[in-house]
This record gives sequence, structure tokens and C-alpha cells, in this order.
Amino acid sequence: EAAVTQSPRSKVAVTGGKVTLSCHQTNNHDYMYWYRQDTGHGLRLIHYSYVADSTEKGDIPDGYKASRPSQENFSLILELASLSQTAVYFCASSERTEVFFGKGTRLTVV
Amino acid sequence: QQKVQQSPESLIVPEGGMASLNCTSSDRNVDYFWWYRQHSGKSPKMLMSIFSNGEKEEGRFTVHLNKASLHTSLHIRDSQPSDSALYLCAAETDSGYNKLTFGKGTVLLVSP
Repeated sequence: EAAVTQSPRSKVAVTGGKVTLSCHQTNNHDYMYWYRQDTGHGLRLIHYSYVADSTEKGDIPDGYKASRPSQENFSLILELASLSQTAVYFCASSERTEVFFGKGTRLTVV
Repeated sequence: QQKVQQSPESLIVPEGGMASLNCTSSDRNVDYFWWYRQHSGKSPKMLMSIFSNGEKEEGRFTVHLNKASLHTSLHIRDSQPSDSALYLCAAETDSGYNKLTFGKGTVLLVSP
């Protein structure tokens, strides 16, 4: 099965601090995504990438940056973490068919 | 506004019963619908996908699609307690890149 690994699995961050969430896939997939999940909102797309060194804005990009330094790695960066960014974040990868999700990172901003 | 609407928000069915979940998109550019299942504390896992009008069956799971109304439904027969989970419907448009727009989901509880 496709492997998407996220780190850390959970994190507590202070308001105004910088947070980096990392994602690594061994599927050789071109497409990678960052979604956030909040109770009552399903999954919402933050950023995605279809090739290394390039990222695209998703549906809710404000307050987030993304970096894709290689095909395998995709990071999500919160430069100034805010309370409203408390959520579970999922990284995913795909190759034009099924999207495979990582196990998620629970981020709590205090 | 939410482009993918799911109903009901929650559903309780007895063990062995039939669960029916609904999903509608407001985006005319939708090409595919995907159904994902997410158990509590876990990541979403793909159940089924459909892009043609009609019906698709895999084991106890059946998916219907009406492209004219952009409505899909998921039916689970002989429901088991292990089917208790959040069911997410996602729509994929013809923009490529497998970008999925998810609904808020339906919480299914199968009571023993």
C-alpha cells in the first residue's frame, strides 16, 4: 500500500510561533496535498503540488506556506501560528487516481 | 458556500441493516466522485469511486451516480459495527491534479 509519513504526529505550538509540518512519501507520486480537518468541516485543501519546486494554492491557503523541495517531500509552514489553525492536518499523495492519506498531525495552538 | 453537500449528518442503523448516504455537488465541472471512510482517530481510506452514470457494486457496498443531477449515493447492506465511521464524499473536477473537494461527511453508527 502507498506510504505517506507525516511528522510530527502531534504538536503544541504557541500563538505567533513558527510551525513546520513535514510529509514524506515513498510512492513515487507526482501529486502531493495538504488538507486540514476540523469538526464539522470535512477536509479542506490548503496547498498542493504537482511537481518538485512548485506549489499551488488550494481552497484555504491564507496563513500557510508550502514547500516541495523534492518529489518525496512536502512541507506545510505556519509562519505565525494562530488559535484558529488548531486542527488535524493530513498530507496526501496521488498519481492521477486514488489519493492516499498520511496518518495526520494534530496541531494545537495555545 | 459548500460545493459538496452530504446528508444526513448522522445516521444510526441496526446491525444487519441497510445504510444509505447521499452526496450532491454544485460544481458542473465534476468528473469523478469518491467515497472515503474514516474511522475515529484514523486517516481517510478510499472506499469506492464512480464517474459513469449508473451503479457500481463492491461486496456490501453499492454506489449510484446521476451525472445530470450531480448526485451520488452510497449504500451499505448488512451493516456491521465495524462500518461505524465518518463517510466522506469528495468531488473531483476536470481541472486535473486529483484535487478533491470534500463534503462535511456523514457519521454512521451501526448499533449491535
